[in-house]
Amino acid sequence: QITLKESGPTLVKPTQTLTLTCTFSGFSLSTSGVGVGWIRQPPGRALEWLALISWNDDKRYSPSLKSRLTITKDTSKNQVVLTMTNMAPVDTATYYCAHRPTDDAFDFWGQGTLVTVSS
Amino acid sequence: DIVMTQSPDSLAVSLGERATISCKSSQSILYSSNNKNYLAWYQQKPGQPPKLLIYWASTRESGVPDRFRGSGSGTDFTLTISSLQAEDVAVYYCHQYYSTPYTFGQGTKLEIK
Repeated sequence: QITLKESGPTLVKPTQTLTLTCTFSGFSLSTSGVGVGWIRQPPGRALEWLALISWNDDKRYSPSLKSRLTITKDTSKNQVVLTMTNMAPVDTATYYCAHRPTDDAFDFWGQGTLVTVSS
Repeated sequence: DIVMTQSPDSLAVSLGERATISCKSSQSILYSSNNKNYLAWYQQKPGQPPKLLIYWASTRESGVPDRFRGSGSGTDFTLTISSLQAEDVAVYYCHQYYSTPYTFGQGTKLEIK
């Protein structure tokens, strides 16, 4: 049974750095082909892919946010961490992490965590 | 970036009737070496994460009712719900995982008429 859970602050101030942790179980991020991605969704709006880290530490980022994002993994802890710098009110969204099987679509998602950016 | 465009933005269908949602990609997402379309469909209900319904454009995820059918190839795709049930009210998203940056459609809100 694959599960993922996002954790982090619910409120950040503008210009601050957001750090989100995805803690997962039921799979290993050292298994060939497996990846974990981050996707966000502003209130009432569509899904936006942010970043992906793969089993071999290959990292991919949304080009529009690449300068602000860093994704890392700790295989021993079954965690993936996303940091986003210079947060602004437009970054207010529910942030999801999701499991990506080998060469396939995101199949299991966390429940998401709502992050509000406000002073 | 591959742009995914869904139509319509919203749709109202009577219970038991067919619902059809279209998704077009700005370039082909058919990988010639394996003949697979890297297209998925998700269902999202309020307050919940997206749920994977269809992958490889036409393969139903385990446990998804067979009234959900995905079709299409290349750049044009369709999600069909053959007989709408009350529990199908949701927003539906198409998603391409052919190449990064991965992208999603803008969503189609499905309601009961």
